[in-house]
Amino acid sequence: GQNIDQPTEMTATEGAIVQINCTYQTSGFNGLFWYQQHAGEAPTFLSYNVLDGLEEKGRFSSFLSRSKGYSYLLLKELQMKDSASYLCAVRGEKAGSYQLTFGKGTKLSVIP
Amino acid sequence: GAVVSQHPSRVICKSGTSVKIECRSLDFQATTMFWYRQFPKKSLMLMATSNEGSKATYEQGVEKDKFLINHASLTLSTLTVTSAHPEDSSFYICSAKPRRELRNEQFFGPGTRLTVL
Repeated sequence: GQNIDQPTEMTATEGAIVQINCTYQTSGFNGLFWYQQHAGEAPTFLSYNVLDGLEEKGRFSSFLSRSKGYSYLLLKELQMKDSASYLCAVRGEKAGSYQLTFGKGTKLSVIP
Repeated sequence: GAVVSQHPSRVICKSGTSVKIECRSLDFQATTMFWYRQFPKKSLMLMATSNEGSKATYEQGVEKDKFLINHASLTLSTLTVTSAHPEDSSFYICSAKPRRELRNEQFFGPGTRLTVL
Protein backbone atom coordinates (compact mmCIF):
# COMPACT_ATOMS: atom_id res chain seq x y z
CA GLY A 1 0.00 0.00 0.00
CA GLN A 2 0.89 3.67 -0.06
CA ASN A 3 1.09 6.03 2.89
CA ILE A 4 1.96 9.69 2.49
CA ASP A 5 2.26 12.09 5.41
CA GLN A 6 2.53 15.85 5.42
CA PRO A 7 1.58 18.50 7.99
CA THR A 8 -2.03 19.61 7.92
CA GLU A 9 -1.46 23.33 8.25
CA MET A 10 1.37 25.85 8.32
CA THR A 11 1.55 29.61 8.69
CA ALA A 12 4.37 31.83 7.46
CA THR A 13 5.05 35.53 6.99
CA GLU A 14 5.14 37.35 3.68
CA GLY A 15 8.72 37.54 2.39
CA ALA A 16 9.89 34.61 4.50
CA ILE A 17 10.92 31.07 3.57
CA VAL A 18 8.83 28.00 4.39
CA GLN A 19 9.59 24.29 4.07
CA ILE A 20 6.80 21.76 3.70
CA ASN A 21 7.83 18.19 4.45
CA CYS A 22 6.45 14.98 3.04
CA THR A 23 7.29 11.44 4.07
CA TYR A 24 6.11 8.38 2.23
CA GLN A 25 6.04 4.62 2.62
CA THR A 26 5.28 2.86 -0.63
CA SER A 27 5.80 -0.60 -2.04
CA GLY A 28 7.32 0.95 -5.15
CA PHE A 29 8.51 4.38 -6.19
CA ASN A 30 8.61 6.02 -9.58
CA GLY A 31 8.68 9.70 -8.78
CA LEU A 32 7.28 12.33 -6.44
CA PHE A 33 5.25 15.38 -7.42
CA TRP A 34 4.30 18.57 -5.65
CA TYR A 35 1.11 20.35 -6.64
CA GLN A 36 -0.42 23.63 -5.54
CA GLN A 37 -4.17 23.82 -5.10
CA HIS A 38 -6.16 26.95 -4.36
CA ALA A 39 -9.54 26.46 -2.73
CA GLY A 40 -12.15 25.23 -5.18
CA GLU A 41 -9.67 24.85 -8.00
CA ALA A 42 -7.79 21.95 -9.55
CA PRO A 43 -4.17 21.26 -8.62
CA THR A 44 -1.39 22.83 -10.65
CA PHE A 45 2.00 21.21 -11.15
CA LEU A 46 4.95 22.59 -9.22
CA SER A 47 7.74 20.03 -9.32
CA TYR A 48 8.79 16.48 -10.04
CA ASN A 49 11.64 14.52 -8.43
CA VAL A 50 12.67 11.02 -9.33
CA LEU A 51 16.36 11.14 -8.35
CA ASP A 52 17.85 12.22 -5.05
CA GLY A 53 18.69 15.86 -4.70
CA LEU A 54 17.35 19.34 -5.07
CA GLU A 55 15.38 20.67 -8.03
CA GLU A 56 15.16 24.45 -8.16
CA LYS A 57 12.66 26.43 -10.17
CA GLY A 58 12.39 30.10 -9.38
CA ARG A 59 11.03 30.67 -5.88
CA PHE A 60 10.17 26.99 -5.51
CA SER A 61 12.56 24.12 -4.83
CA SER A 62 11.90 20.47 -4.13
CA PHE A 63 14.18 17.94 -2.50
CA LEU A 64 14.04 14.16 -2.52
CA SER A 65 15.80 11.44 -0.51
CA ARG A 66 14.64 8.05 -1.70
CA SER A 67 16.52 6.15 1.02
CA LYS A 68 14.69 8.14 3.69
CA GLY A 69 11.33 8.25 1.93
CA TYR A 70 11.40 12.00 2.36
CA SER A 71 10.78 15.10 0.31
CA TYR A 72 10.31 18.76 0.99
CA LEU A 73 9.01 21.73 -0.92
CA LEU A 74 10.78 25.00 -0.22
CA LEU A 75 9.06 28.29 -0.96
CA LYS A 76 11.17 31.46 -0.87
CA GLU A 77 10.17 35.13 -0.78
CA LEU A 78 6.64 34.19 0.18
CA GLN A 79 3.82 36.16 -1.38
CA MET A 80 0.22 36.41 -0.24
CA LYS A 81 -0.86 34.54 -3.38
CA ASP A 82 1.14 31.52 -2.17
CA SER A 83 -1.61 30.86 0.36
CA ALA A 84 -2.95 27.51 -0.85
CA SER A 85 -2.83 23.80 -0.18
CA TYR A 86 0.30 21.97 -1.25
CA LEU A 87 -0.11 18.35 -2.21
CA CYS A 88 2.61 15.75 -2.18
CA ALA A 89 1.94 12.86 -4.57
CA VAL A 90 3.83 9.67 -5.31
CA ARG A 91 3.71 7.94 -8.66
CA GLY A 92 2.48 4.32 -8.76
CA GLU A 93 4.10 1.06 -7.88
CA LYS A 94 4.87 -0.08 -11.37
CA ALA A 95 7.18 1.65 -13.77
CA GLY A 96 4.51 1.64 -16.45
CA SER A 97 1.81 3.02 -14.18
CA TYR A 98 1.11 6.72 -14.07
CA GLN A 99 -1.25 6.62 -11.11
CA LEU A 100 -0.61 9.15 -8.39
CA THR A 101 -1.36 8.71 -4.71
CA PHE A 102 -1.86 12.03 -2.97
CA GLY A 103 -1.15 13.07 0.58
CA LYS A 104 -3.85 15.00 2.42
CA GLY A 105 -2.23 18.31 1.61
CA THR A 106 -0.70 21.07 3.68
CA LYS A 107 -2.72 24.26 3.94
CA LEU A 108 -0.29 27.18 3.92
CA SER A 109 -1.44 30.56 5.17
CA VAL A 110 0.79 33.52 4.34
CA ILE A 111 0.27 36.47 6.67
CA PRO A 112 1.44 40.08 6.27
CA GLY B 1 0.95 24.27 -22.65
CA ALA B 2 -1.29 21.30 -22.08
CA VAL B 3 -4.86 22.29 -21.23
CA VAL B 4 -7.60 20.09 -19.85
CA SER B 5 -11.18 21.25 -19.68
CA GLN B 6 -14.13 19.89 -17.75
CA HIS B 7 -17.80 20.44 -18.33
CA PRO B 8 -19.88 21.38 -16.49
CA SER B 9 -17.96 23.29 -13.86
CA ARG B 10 -20.85 23.12 -11.45
CA VAL B 11 -24.01 21.02 -11.40
CA ILE B 12 -26.90 20.65 -9.01
CA CYS B 13 -29.23 17.72 -9.46
CA LYS B 14 -31.99 15.88 -7.69
CA SER B 15 -31.40 12.61 -5.94
CA GLY B 16 -31.91 9.66 -8.27
CA THR B 17 -30.90 11.42 -11.46
CA SER B 18 -27.75 10.79 -13.50
CA VAL B 19 -25.07 13.35 -14.24
CA LYS B 20 -22.44 13.24 -16.98
CA ILE B 21 -19.13 15.05 -16.63
CA GLU B 22 -16.87 15.55 -19.61
CA CYS B 23 -13.09 15.81 -19.53
CA ARG B 24 -11.28 16.99 -22.65
CA SER B 25 -7.63 17.45 -23.47
CA LEU B 26 -7.66 20.52 -25.69
CA ASP B 27 -4.24 20.60 -27.30
CA PHE B 28 -2.81 17.13 -26.84
CA GLN B 29 -3.75 13.50 -27.10
CA ALA B 30 -4.22 11.71 -23.82
CA THR B 31 -3.71 7.98 -23.78
CA THR B 32 -4.65 7.87 -20.12
CA MET B 33 -7.08 9.93 -18.10
CA PHE B 34 -7.69 9.75 -14.38
CA TRP B 35 -10.78 10.58 -12.37
CA TYR B 36 -10.45 11.85 -8.82
CA ARG B 37 -12.92 12.82 -6.13
CA GLN B 38 -12.17 15.33 -3.44
CA PHE B 39 -14.28 15.94 -0.35
CA PRO B 40 -13.98 19.22 1.57
CA LYS B 41 -10.62 19.58 3.28
CA LYS B 42 -9.57 16.15 2.07
CA SER B 43 -7.05 15.10 -0.51
CA LEU B 44 -7.73 13.81 -3.98
CA MET B 45 -8.81 10.20 -4.07
CA LEU B 46 -8.26 8.32 -7.29
CA MET B 47 -11.47 6.73 -8.48
CA ALA B 48 -10.45 5.16 -11.75
CA THR B 49 -7.92 5.10 -14.55
CA SER B 50 -9.26 5.37 -18.06
CA ASN B 51 -7.36 4.25 -21.14
CA GLU B 52 -8.57 5.12 -24.61
CA GLY B 53 -10.47 2.28 -26.23
CA SER B 54 -10.48 -0.02 -23.22
CA LYS B 55 -12.39 -0.49 -20.00
CA ALA B 56 -11.56 1.72 -17.06
CA THR B 57 -9.72 0.34 -14.06
CA TYR B 58 -11.51 1.20 -10.83
CA GLU B 59 -9.93 1.65 -7.42
CA GLN B 60 -11.03 -0.53 -4.57
CA GLY B 61 -14.31 0.61 -3.11
CA VAL B 62 -15.45 2.52 -6.20
CA GLU B 63 -18.59 1.05 -7.77
CA LYS B 64 -18.11 0.71 -11.50
CA ASP B 65 -21.84 0.43 -12.12
CA LYS B 66 -22.44 3.69 -10.33
CA PHE B 67 -19.57 5.65 -11.83
CA LEU B 68 -19.57 4.87 -15.54
CA ILE B 69 -16.46 5.90 -17.41
CA ASN B 70 -16.14 6.09 -21.17
CA HIS B 71 -12.88 7.04 -22.89
CA ALA B 72 -14.09 7.09 -26.47
CA SER B 73 -11.27 9.08 -28.02
CA LEU B 74 -7.78 10.34 -27.28
CA THR B 75 -9.17 13.70 -26.23
CA LEU B 76 -12.38 12.86 -24.36
CA SER B 77 -13.34 10.88 -21.29
CA THR B 78 -16.70 11.03 -19.57
CA LEU B 79 -17.77 10.15 -16.05
CA THR B 80 -21.46 9.46 -15.45
CA VAL B 81 -22.70 9.38 -11.89
CA THR B 82 -25.78 7.20 -12.07
CA SER B 83 -28.68 7.46 -9.62
CA ALA B 84 -26.89 10.17 -7.71
CA HIS B 85 -27.43 10.53 -3.97
CA PRO B 86 -26.48 13.34 -1.58
CA GLU B 87 -23.39 11.43 -0.45
CA ASP B 88 -22.10 11.64 -4.03
CA SER B 89 -21.84 15.42 -3.65
CA SER B 90 -18.17 16.20 -4.13
CA PHE B 91 -15.57 17.90 -6.28
CA TYR B 92 -14.73 15.68 -9.25
CA ILE B 93 -11.44 16.32 -11.02
CA CYS B 94 -9.99 14.65 -14.08
CA SER B 95 -6.41 14.61 -15.20
CA ALA B 96 -4.82 13.58 -18.45
CA LYS B 97 -1.45 12.18 -19.31
CA PRO B 98 -0.14 13.22 -22.71
CA ARG B 99 0.70 10.54 -25.21
CA ARG B 100 4.17 12.03 -25.42
CA GLU B 101 6.26 11.95 -22.28
CA LEU B 102 6.41 15.30 -20.55
CA ARG B 103 8.09 15.07 -17.19
CA ASN B 104 5.70 12.20 -16.42
CA GLU B 105 3.21 14.91 -15.68
CA GLN B 106 -0.54 14.77 -15.43
CA PHE B 107 -2.53 17.84 -16.34
CA PHE B 108 -5.61 18.53 -14.28
CA GLY B 109 -8.94 19.87 -15.37
CA PRO B 110 -10.59 22.70 -13.41
CA GLY B 111 -12.94 20.32 -11.63
CA THR B 112 -16.70 19.83 -11.45
CA ARG B 113 -18.56 20.54 -8.27
CA LEU B 114 -21.53 18.21 -7.96
CA THR B 115 -24.30 18.89 -5.48
CA VAL B 116 -27.04 16.31 -5.12
CA LEU B 117 -30.15 17.51 -3.35
